[in-house]
Amino acid sequence: GAVVSQHPSRVICKSGTSVKIECRSLDFQATTMFWYRQFPKQSLMLMATSNEGSKATYEQGVEKDKFLINHASLTLSTLTVTSAHPEDSSFYICSAGLAGRLETQYFGPGTRLLVL
Amino acid sequence: DQQVKQNSPSLSVQEGRISILNCDYTNSMFDYFLWYKKYPAEGPTFLISISSIKDKNEDGRFTVFLNKSAKHLSLHIVPSQPGDSAVYFCAAFGNQFYFGTGTSLTVIP
Repeated sequence: GAVVSQHPSRVICKSGTSVKIECRSLDFQATTMFWYRQFPKQSLMLMATSNEGSKATYEQGVEKDKFLINHASLTLSTLTVTSAHPEDSSFYICSAGLAGRLETQYFGPGTRLLVL
Repeated sequence: DQQVKQNSPSLSVQEGRISILNCDYTNSMFDYFLWYKKYPAEGPTFLISISSIKDKNEDGRFTVFLNKSAKHLSLHIVPSQPGDSAVYFCAAFGNQFYFGTGTSLTVIP
């Protein structure tokens, strides 16, 4: 089955640094990727939708300058948390969908970010 | 390799009847399971969860059953309502999240 990986799986960083999280679709071409943030025991919050070759579409309330998304190829999307602060600590999860079949999404395992 | 599988991509049920959504997993170390509901153009919303120490958790019309020996999870919705029409994702947690690919439920009025 389709597999989506994320790297790193967990990262600890100091406040003020930037962290890049990669999301890769390993065996299919993902025209659309989604980035979510997961708070403990709460719903996944959709942060942005990333389409290959175009700018990401951010959800209301998500700072595009803080959460930089790049979808440079059909198998890779990156999320960069710039100038991270402790309140950015969370699970970040990506998912990938196939063009025309976005009802089926393949989720990555998540990246646990802890900002000290 | 998919560690959490939802083998039915879609399901149609008459209003008032029971909807049963299934989920299978491979890793016996998972200790927490969740179901999410997703409407189009929205992020998944948390629906119900169950710890591995339990075999059933009920919340209103939603009940999740866990069969650890079979590594099987199911979500029962009864009675089903048209507003339940959505995509349902199951997820397992054991240091990381593992999501199924979703089952699209259509409740027919």
